[in-house]
Amino acid sequence: SQKIEQNSEALNIQEGKTATLTCNYTNYSPAYLQWYRQDPGRGPVFLLLIRENEKEKRKERLKVTFDTTLKQSLFHITASQPADSATYLCALNTGGFKTIFGAGTRLFVKA
Amino acid sequence: SQTIHQWPATLVQPVGSPLSLECTVEGTSNPNLYWYRQAAGRGLQLLFYSVGIGQISSEVPQNLSASRPQDRQFILSSKKLLLSDSGFYLCAWGRPGQIFGPGTRLTVL
Repeated sequence: SQKIEQNSEALNIQEGKTATLTCNYTNYSPAYLQWYRQDPGRGPVFLLLIRENEKEKRKERLKVTFDTTLKQSLFHITASQPADSATYLCALNTGGFKTIFGAGTRLFVKA
Repeated sequence: SQTIHQWPATLVQPVGSPLSLECTVEGTSNPNLYWYRQAAGRGLQLLFYSVGIGQISSEVPQNLSASRPQDRQFILSSKKLLLSDSGFYLCAWGRPGQIFGPGTRLTVL
């Protein structure tokens, strides 16, 4: 079955630096790969979606890359701020109705 | 604009008691609706999804059930709760790029 692996260790970075989070998946490539932000006690918030035929997508300070050969997506936050501290979830959709989520990586941005 | 509501926000129930969690969506019609459960420090586990009224697909065999009595209403139920049912329950709609509700924190004692 399809599995998603995200670094379970928290990522600590200094304000102003670029945060890079990794998402690896097994088996077949998804039709879509998505990234969400989740704050404690809240539901996830959709950030970005990238399709299998796209290599990179940007939105303001966010950038997502998608490498179907490596079966990996990277999520970058440039000029990070303490307000970016949250858990970031990777999710994939194979074209059907189901979306599979990773466990997420916690990001801490220190002022 | 589209919004999604869940209630209650928190719930503490004894083992063996029934459960009913409700989710409603506004600002869209015929949405794909989903129920997820998130255990502490874990990813989201898909429980049920629905593509229309009365159409329910179950992903995980357990003592939970779901119903969709109206186009924009999705209900999660149990006849007898187990300790392992504790968790954070999230309703979502859309595909892909899902919109999530605020969630219900369920504690079974």
